[in-house]
Amino acid sequence: DGGITQSPKYLFRKEGQNVTLSCEQNLNHDAMYWYRQDPGQGLRLIYYSQIVNDFQKGDIAEGYSVSREKKESFPLTVTSAQKNPTAFYLCASRPGQTAYEQYFGPGTRLTVT
Amino acid sequence: EDQVTQSPEALRLQEGESSSLNCSYTVSGLRGLFWYRQDPGKGPEFLFTLYSAGEEKEKERLKATLTKKESFLHITAPKPEDSATYLCAVRDGSARQLTFGSGTQLTVLP
Repeated sequence: DGGITQSPKYLFRKEGQNVTLSCEQNLNHDAMYWYRQDPGQGLRLIYYSQIVNDFQKGDIAEGYSVSREKKESFPLTVTSAQKNPTAFYLCASRPGQTAYEQYFGPGTRLTVT
Repeated sequence: EDQVTQSPEALRLQEGESSSLNCSYTVSGLRGLFWYRQDPGKGPEFLFTLYSAGEEKEKERLKATLTKKESFLHITAPKPEDSATYLCAVRDGSARQLTFGSGTQLTVLP
């Protein structure tokens, strides 16, 4: 079955700790994205990557970092510099250069106390 | 800067009571308008892409339409399982990413 997996589903961390969220896809999609969703708000773009070893900042990249060493994988690190890290994090991928619909994973809910 | 506004924020319907959700957008050169359905605690599920004014797409009880300034998601004879948040997003000609609205939370009562 092709799809996007995110793990874990729930994640709890203490303030001041870095944490890495996993995103893997076996759809052979080129582009991958990370969004943050807060209650009552739309999805806000954190980072995106069009190809391996290349990525760009989105609207709210401060306090986050990513890597894209493999086409299938796009992990997101939430650093201690992110002031408000508690949120629902969504990973998405897009098929190719001419298709712009994005397909989403199930999400990771991060709680930092 | 692209802007997407969805209304209403929340909508409660009785089962079988048809209605429409609105997505108004401001974008320079629309290159696609996207509708998604999101269930609580889950990732959005892709529904439709519309590219030009006058275009319509249908899936079961849902029909999406597009004008030059807005899109409507019409829900005909909804059922309780249609309850979800419906998100709208746009892409302009220069962007490689989508701009999302904040969604309409639909509740269909049995």
